[in-house]
Amino acid sequence: QKEVEQNSGPLSVPEGAIASLNCTYSDRGSQSFFWYRQYSGKSPELIMFIYSNGDKEDGRFTAQLNKASQYVSLLIRDSQPSDSATYLCAVMQLADKLIFGTGTRLQVFP
Amino acid sequence: DVKVTQSSRYLVKRTGEKVFLECVQDMDHENMFWYRQDPGLGLRLIYFSYDVKMKEKGDIPEGYSVSREKKERFSLILESASTNQTSMYLCASSSMVGTGTTTNEKLFFGSGTQLSVL
Repeated sequence: QKEVEQNSGPLSVPEGAIASLNCTYSDRGSQSFFWYRQYSGKSPELIMFIYSNGDKEDGRFTAQLNKASQYVSLLIRDSQPSDSATYLCAVMQLADKLIFGTGTRLQVFP
Repeated sequence: DVKVTQSSRYLVKRTGEKVFLECVQDMDHENMFWYRQDPGLGLRLIYFSYDVKMKEKGDIPEGYSVSREKKERFSLILESASTNQTSMYLCASSSMVGTGTTTNEKLFFGSGTQLSVL
């Protein structure tokens, strides 16, 4: 079992829809959870982090964390073509080790 | 804005060559990291450093070494390049934000070096 798992996609959604990106992790001791966005040919950039159970909202983005289910998700409301990218889930384990998933490719079509 | 600069965007080397990848950050971050990114495998940690002259092995350190002589500079060294080291190499630095027992590590990435070993 991979430490951080994501569906590779592509996830295709129409413009204006909600995109839902999911991530599961194996280490129950994981402390913090991050979502990075990576455009093709570019380096990852941090868009959200969350460390408490529940929802955290920032503009059109909402991160959701359920530690009991070892599940973290990213919702993108009113999706735009400019949101088309690969979204990387990253999990901070107890040893201050950040583990990345392989990413989910999101395509938003007009 | 935080700037993490990698010396080369593209690099082509021959098998057996010694390769140096340089990374410099300008935000006085203590923590620096080297990752490689391969299709289907995601980002994998090679080495990291929490202080000058300090280094820790990541998940895939074999065939690599690092050097951190100054706080702002973290170098990745391929002692004898091999074709399976063809990859995108990403350097990152981070700030730690402590909240009780929880720390949040926000990574800032350089633009990457696409290394091809022939």
